[in-house]
Amino acid sequence: GAVVSQHPSWVICKSGTSVKIECRSLDFQATTMFWYRQFPKQSLMLMATSNEGSKATYEQGVEKDKFLINHASLTLSTLTVTSAHPEDSSFYICSASLTHGSGDTQYFGPGTRLTVL
Amino acid sequence: QKEVEQNSGPLSVPEGAIASLNCTYSDRGSQSFFWYRQYSGKSPELIMFIYSNGDKEDGRFTAQLNKASQYVSLLIRDSQPSDSATYLCAAIHGSSNTGKLIFGQGTTLQVKP
Repeated sequence: GAVVSQHPSWVICKSGTSVKIECRSLDFQATTMFWYRQFPKQSLMLMATSNEGSKATYEQGVEKDKFLINHASLTLSTLTVTSAHPEDSSFYICSASLTHGSGDTQYFGPGTRLTVL
Repeated sequence: QKEVEQNSGPLSVPEGAIASLNCTYSDRGSQSFFWYRQYSGKSPELIMFIYSNGDKEDGRFTAQLNKASQYVSLLIRDSQPSDSATYLCAAIHGSSNTGKLIFGQGTTLQVKP
């Protein structure tokens, strides 16, 4: 149980184009999903918290107009990197929060590796 | 002072030994604690969560929580080379109503055959 998928697993795009990444919770409903970014040999960096049916909450320093997040259902959140540039190349990872009796637990998707040429 | 602290390592243990990973946290209000394993180039994978003081065992893994001393540990028994990875300790901030995780910087574990 508690499986989270991401699509695509990797993407290469030209500078200036937009890229959409999907995050799905396959066997549970997730009111809250999270988007992270990780550069090589660095820690996970939380970009935003995505709540179903409401606007995402972005961390300080993350441009909300560049990283568009939509959480349209309890099993799907999308991250769109708009007008991507080479510095946006990174490993993007989502997580979905499963609420159970003891509290909330985040389960991570496999990640999407974005390369912007 | 970081909210969740881990020794970055690397921690090197021989195959078959017990690996002991430690983590301290500063927010006394934190209630939920997690250990994730991350292989190079992969996303984090949940190993265990713990909410109550004491030990919680799952197979070769034992998580220990001591709220009075504000530390969490993970013991890996019979360590295998496949356990070589970065282990992330995380806590949910006591005042958080979003479930945001606060991560330590991770401890790199190397299990030598």
